[in-house]
Amino acid sequence: GNSVTQMEGPVTLSEEAFLTINCTYTATGYPSLFWYVQYPGEGLQLLLKATKADDKGSNKGFEATYRKETTSFHLEKGSVQVSDSAVYFCALFDTGFQKLVFGTGTRLLVSP
Amino acid sequence: EPEVTQTPSHQVTQMGQEVILRCVPISNHLYFYWYRQILGQKVEFLVSFYNNEISEKSEIFDDQFSVERPDGSNFTLKIRSTKLEDSAMYFCASSGGQGFYEQYFGPGTRLTVT
Repeated sequence: GNSVTQMEGPVTLSEEAFLTINCTYTATGYPSLFWYVQYPGEGLQLLLKATKADDKGSNKGFEATYRKETTSFHLEKGSVQVSDSAVYFCALFDTGFQKLVFGTGTRLLVSP
Repeated sequence: EPEVTQTPSHQVTQMGQEVILRCVPISNHLYFYWYRQILGQKVEFLVSFYNNEISEKSEIFDDQFSVERPDGSNFTLKIRSTKLEDSAMYFCASSGGQGFYEQYFGPGTRLTVT
């Protein structure tokens, strides 16, 4: 079945450092891909999306590019802030079962 | 900006009791979902709902679970006889229109079964 694999956390960075959180997927066809963010004590917020190969999703300084050849959708940010500390979930939309399939989540901790 | 709301934010119940978790999806959305997240684990799909019926459900969504859209705004998840392992954060989500694949999540209901 379809699945999403994310890098283990926590990822610990200093403010203004460069962030990469790796995400790869296994799927039949070309699913839509998403990054969701969960701030402490809150629900899941859609951060960005890409619906087809080579699409780049971006929002709030975060970017991710849909790479069909490597089945990846890595999340990047050039300069993280303390307020970016959260858990980040990579997900794909499984059109066959009409559901989101999530990775395990990666906790990001940014220190001043 | 429209958002999905859920009530209550936290529910404590005893094993064997029935609980109903409530959600108000975004008003022009047509597809509704329930997911759950056991503490420290990944978010898991439970059920999708469209046109007043279940579209898909996971193996977790057994006979103890049911969903309903009792009126034009609410979407509910009922657990008939709760077990300890039902303790989790339950998220409602909705999608629709042009952003069919974009699901918007509520803040969640933390269910604690004692």
